[in-house]
Amino acid sequence: EPEVTQTPSHQVTQMGQEVILRCVPISNHLYFYWYRQILGQKVEFLVSFYNNEISEKSEIFDDQFSVERPDGSNFTLKIRSTKLEDSAMYFCASGDRAAEAFFGQGTRLTVV
Amino acid sequence: GQNIDQPTEMTATEGAIVQINCTYQTSGFNGLFWYQQHAGEAPTFLSYNVLDGLEEKGRFSSFLSRSKGYSYLLLKELQMKDSASYLCAVEDYGQNFVFGPGTRLSVLP
Repeated sequence: EPEVTQTPSHQVTQMGQEVILRCVPISNHLYFYWYRQILGQKVEFLVSFYNNEISEKSEIFDDQFSVERPDGSNFTLKIRSTKLEDSAMYFCASGDRAAEAFFGQGTRLTVV
Repeated sequence: GQNIDQPTEMTATEGAIVQINCTYQTSGFNGLFWYQQHAGEAPTFLSYNVLDGLEEKGRFSSFLSRSKGYSYLLLKELQMKDSASYLCAVEDYGQNFVFGPGTRLSVLP
């Protein structure tokens, strides 16, 4: 069964460093999303991406964040100058229509 | 403002039926989603409602009333593996999603 793949599963980084979280969506999907979930808290929407551009972004998705689809398969989230409060699980999701999204297993980001 | 409310925790017995409620106040409405999330794992899509009424999918059903800003997820014939958090989420406009805090369901033998 096709699945969304995220790498790495766990990333530890020093405060102020840049990180790139990688996602390989399901191949025929057109809608891509990034979410984060701080430990013990609710899932928060970051950004949605369709037709090779951002379609929506939340207030959390400020200039510190960027997304790219560098090739036909990968979908990346870049966090510049990480802060302690960026520590969270980051989920990538994809869907072949806007009404359904399949989540990857997430990348646990720890900023120290 | 954006607000989604769900009960924090629920407990039910194996084989029983449980209803998890969700109320929402959002600036727009393009659909309501239910996800299941086991501890330490990613959310898994369960259902999507955009029109009023009941959507049934196996042991799980989801109901929506847009005029009341209300939905519920109904789980029948509960199994131990159904112990998880159940997340209610609303697509309020475009593809902007607002998640509720989740309801932690414990299924007891």
